Amino acid sequence: KQEVTQIPAALSVPEGENLVLNCSFTDSAIYNLQWFRQDPGKGLTSLLLIQSSQREQTSGRLNASLDKSSGRSTLYIAASQPGDSATYLCAVRGPNAGKSTFGDGTTLTVKP
Amino acid sequence: DGGITQSPKYLFRKEGQNVTLSCEQNLNHDAMYWYRQDPGQGLRLIYYSQIVNDFQKGDIAEGYSVSREKKESFPLTVTSAQKNPTAFYLCASSKGLAGVSYNEQFFGPGTRLTVL
Repeated sequence: KQEVTQIPAALSVPEGENLVLNCSFTDSAIYNLQWFRQDPGKGLTSLLLIQSSQREQTSGRLNASLDKSSGRSTLYIAASQPGDSATYLCAVRGPNAGKSTFGDGTTLTVKP
Repeated sequence: DGGITQSPKYLFRKEGQNVTLSCEQNLNHDAMYWYRQDPGQGLRLIYYSQIVNDFQKGDIAEGYSVSREKKESFPLTVTSAQKNPTAFYLCASSKGLAGVSYNEQFFGPGTRLTVL
């Protein structure tokens, strides 16, 4: 059974810092990995999707990497802003393509 | 605007009642999903549907039921058999399962269900 872990559970940084969020998974047989952002009381917003054959994806100040062999993905946020404050979740889709397994998320606070 | 809508935003249920949560999408996606989120936790899959008139149980299907009579709609019923239904419910869709590139999931705004 796939297990997804996100460490740390919470992170607080000053504005302008570059930061890395971590996502690890136990079964490397995946189709893709998706990073989401969730604001309090809201749905999830898709940030980046990395296919199993890819090593990284970039969108603006965000860069996500994938290392299947080690079961790890990182989300790099450059020049953080207070508006980046949210919970970030990763989700791994396995061989049963209908099912994704989510981590519990990392809650990021960016202080002005 | 294309997207996923969920209604109602807030729902209160008395013990013993069945309630139905609505999920509609106009993205022309084949696959739809229902997740449950408890405070401080990630999402757990309740049911998913790959195509009209077909659906499969997820990891926590007990006490829930779904139907998929139309491509655009995937309602979730929370029955009285669900022992602890208070949670945030999220509906999602993806273009389909044929090919990895179609598997990006998009989410609705959620329904918060509270049992009184």
